[in-house]
Amino acid sequence: EDQVTQSPEALRLQEGESSSLNCSYTVSGLRGLFWYRQDPGKGPEFLFTLYSAGEEKEKERLKATLTKKESFLHITAPKPEDSATYLCAVQASLSGGYNKLIFGAGTRLAVHP
Amino acid sequence: EAQVTQNPRYLITVTGKKLTVTCSQNMNHEYMSWYRQDPGLGLRQIYYSMNVEVTDKGDVPEGYKVSRKEKRNFPLILESPSPNQTSLYFCASSSILRTGGGETQYFGPGTRLLVL
Repeated sequence: EDQVTQSPEALRLQEGESSSLNCSYTVSGLRGLFWYRQDPGKGPEFLFTLYSAGEEKEKERLKATLTKKESFLHITAPKPEDSATYLCAVQASLSGGYNKLIFGAGTRLAVHP
Repeated sequence: EAQVTQNPRYLITVTGKKLTVTCSQNMNHEYMSWYRQDPGLGLRQIYYSMNVEVTDKGDVPEGYKVSRKEKRNFPLILESPSPNQTSLYFCASSSILRTGGGETQYFGPGTRLLVL
């Protein structure tokens, strides 16, 4: 069964304290892995797409990496405005060539001054 | 501005009273989808549509209906809502997802539904 697991469920950091969020997956026919940021009461906001093992993408203090079994979202020197829930989703193949997204439950990040 | 809009944003209703949540996108996307988000369960797909008049079930379709009569609109219909449908609902759209690579899905702001 296709599955996406994110850890930890919640993470509390001090401002400037770097850390990593994990997304492990089991899916047949991976077509892509997505990271989204979600603020309370809002829809998910796209951050990155990764397609193949070894690929890395960066945006400001965030860096996403991908292996064959998992992805990491590294946060370097976080600021309070980085506080949000970070969602990981994998895109799997379906018969007929159609794709779907399978989401993890998310990691709630709180960065304190 | 490219966006996905949903209405209403908040809704309180009673068991059995039919309701419709509208979704509209202005990006000419072929693919549209509805998700529900519940604590600890993440986003789960309810229905999706590959194009006008083409819809299919996602992972949790029971109790929901959809229609896609126009490319830009994808309403979600709850014909007889029950308390277990209390949730946060998101509509999303993207260019068609082809085999061999992903297209980014853009999400609406969400509709918070409470069924009493």
